[in-house]
Amino acid sequence: NAGVTQTPKFQVLKTGQSMTLQCAQDMNHEYMSWYRQDPGMGLRLIHYSVGAGITDQGEVPNGYNVSRSTTEDFPLRLLSAAPSQTSVYFCASSLKGRTEAFFGQGTRLTVV
Amino acid sequence: SQQGEEDPQALSIQEGENATMNCSYKTSINNLQWYRQNSGRGLVHLILIRSNEREKHSGRLRVTLDTSKKSSSLLITASRAADTASYFCATDAWPNYGQNFVFGPGTRLSVLP
Repeated sequence: NAGVTQTPKFQVLKTGQSMTLQCAQDMNHEYMSWYRQDPGMGLRLIHYSVGAGITDQGEVPNGYNVSRSTTEDFPLRLLSAAPSQTSVYFCASSLKGRTEAFFGQGTRLTVV
Repeated sequence: SQQGEEDPQALSIQEGENATMNCSYKTSINNLQWYRQNSGRGLVHLILIRSNEREKHSGRLRVTLDTSKKSSSLLITASRAADTASYFCATDAWPNYGQNFVFGPGTRLSVLP
């Protein structure tokens, strides 16, 4: 049972480039979320999904897009990378009606 | 925002001592959870306490919740070097029950051998 898998683990982008951070879970969880973690600020919610085909914005959605075509996958797209998006990104999933979240190992993104 | 705030920001203790960290939040909640994050890793769920509970235990962990003060504390007893990590509280509230967790900035715990 792999849990929540994020790829890549590390990425360096140039300003203006686009990329997709992948997240997959094999626990059949309905809820999936993307957070970014910056020093001294805890985790902030970017986008979340309560099921396939349903997504919504979190606290800091600007510059990011998501889609949820399957229960298993929840990719996060950076449309035009900016240095302010340098951060560690975490994907999480949880069962509907259960609040314990399972986190991936994170993607460390640097935008230069 | 109902963001939690952990206190202290950093804590350094000797192995075998108890570690206490606190969390305050701003609005009414359904649940409050504590997570641990080892350096460079993802967060791991430790314990959940519901808004109608006042205290909960799990192994060496004890969590208290005071909804009148909008605060929670996490006590780790008989600490070990392996407890060295960052600890975060997270809250969720209606209508985002189980969906949107609001995390505090965390407490960095160092347990010295």
